[in-house]
Amino acid sequence: DTGVSQDPRHKITKRGQNVTFRCDPISEHNRLYWYRQTLGQGPEFLTYFQNEAQLEKSRLLSDRFSAERPKGSFSTLEIQRTEQGDSAMYLCASSLVETSASGETQYFGPGTRLLVL
Amino acid sequence: AQSVTQLDSHVSVSEGTPVLLRCNYSSSYSPSLFWYVQHPNKGLQLLLKYTSAATLVKGINGFEAEFKKSETSFHLTKPSAHMSDAAEYFCVVTAAFNKFYFGSGTKLNVKP
Repeated sequence: DTGVSQDPRHKITKRGQNVTFRCDPISEHNRLYWYRQTLGQGPEFLTYFQNEAQLEKSRLLSDRFSAERPKGSFSTLEIQRTEQGDSAMYLCASSLVETSASGETQYFGPGTRLLVL
Repeated sequence: AQSVTQLDSHVSVSEGTPVLLRCNYSSSYSPSLFWYVQHPNKGLQLLLKYTSAATLVKGINGFEAEFKKSETSFHLTKPSAHMSDAAEYFCVVTAAFNKFYFGSGTKLNVKP
């Protein structure tokens, strides 16, 4: 299967700990997105990359959240000093954008479910 | 600004009857619109998308949606529901920088 993969699928941590999630996009895709989904809500955009450049990060929830995509392939999302309110599903998506035209399709991974105790 | 309103949080239909999931959008730009489906413990799957071509869009599994600019709507329909259609459905509008704005979702229940 060459879809978007995320690791781990589930993470339980104690408040105050740091956690890191990984996303591997579809191999030829140049854009990568991170979303957060809480119970009963639709996914909420956090940040995205075009290749290795992080083009939009204003929606990252606080300075405890950071994301990287160092080589323009996989990406990591780190949450420092986790809080119980960080408990959610973290989704990654990727897309191939060849022109500036709108209408790209994002392909989503299965998500990482985080529980902060 | 972009936003999406899914008018029903839950819809329940009987197997074999039509499905209608409603979506209204707001966009400062010519929008691209999508419907995604999320089955329990599975990732979001694209059902269909509208990108300023034909206003009636056909997707997978017999679903279709019609873009109505005058009503700012993009409702999802299916003539005959199947038990396997039970899932949560999300309407999505894209912004200028291709950020996706999701609606809050509609949970579809299909009764036998």
